[in-house]
Amino acid sequence: KNEVEQSPQNLTAQEGEFITINCSYSVGISALHWLQQHPGGGIVSLFMLSSGKKKHGRLIATINIQEKHSSLHITASHPRDSAVYICAVHPARGSQGNLIFGKGTKLSVKP
Amino acid sequence: EPEVTQTPSHQVTQMGQEVILRCVPISNHLYFYWYRQILGQKVEFLVSFYNNEISEKSEIFDDQFSVERPDGSNFTLKIRSTKLEDSAMYFCASSDRGWNEQFFGPGTRLTVL
Repeated sequence: KNEVEQSPQNLTAQEGEFITINCSYSVGISALHWLQQHPGGGIVSLFMLSSGKKKHGRLIATINIQEKHSSLHITASHPRDSAVYICAVHPARGSQGNLIFGKGTKLSVKP
Repeated sequence: EPEVTQTPSHQVTQMGQEVILRCVPISNHLYFYWYRQILGQKVEFLVSFYNNEISEKSEIFDDQFSVERPDGSNFTLKIRSTKLEDSAMYFCASSDRGWNEQFFGPGTRLTVL
C-alpha cells in the first residue's frame, strides 16, 4: 500500500497553461514537501509546508491537513518547468525526519 | 549558496565488491540522510544519522550497509558486498533540524555488473 499517492502520473501541457498536481497521503504527518527532479536526476526542494499555502514565483503549494491532501500549482507554465514533481511527507511517527516519497508526476510542457 | 556534494557521480562495480559512496553535507547541518532510487521507481529512505549514530533505518538498510561520519565533513555509505539489485541512484541529504527542509546532493549512480 502506497502511503503517498500522486496524480496524475504523467501530464502534458501547452506553454502558458495552469497546472495542478495532487498528492494524497494516508499517514499522520508533521510536514509535506514538494520536490523537483530534473532529467539528470538531481532533486531540488520547492516547498515544505505543514498548513495553509505557500507561494514562490509561479509556484503555489497548498495543504489540507484534515483531508490529507496537498496540491502544487504552476501558473503560466513554461517548457523549463518540465521535470518530475515529487510529493514527500515527514511521517509524524518518524524520529528524525526521514521522508516517504510519492512516485512523482512527470510534467512535460510543450512550447 | 551552500550545497550538498557527492562523489563519485557514477560508480561501476562488480557484484560482490565493496563500494563507498561519499557525501559532504552542508557545514552547519546536523541531520544526514541516505536515500536511493532504483531506475523508474520512487525514491526510498535508507537511513538517517544524527549525533554520530543511526537514528532510523529502513528495511532496505540491512547488514550489508553501513554509514559513517569519519571526520567533520564527510558522510559515507558503504555497501559491503554489492548485489545486482543495489544498482540505483543514491542521494545524500542534510538538514539543520530533523523535520526541516532537506537539501539533496546530485546523487551517485551505482551500477553493479
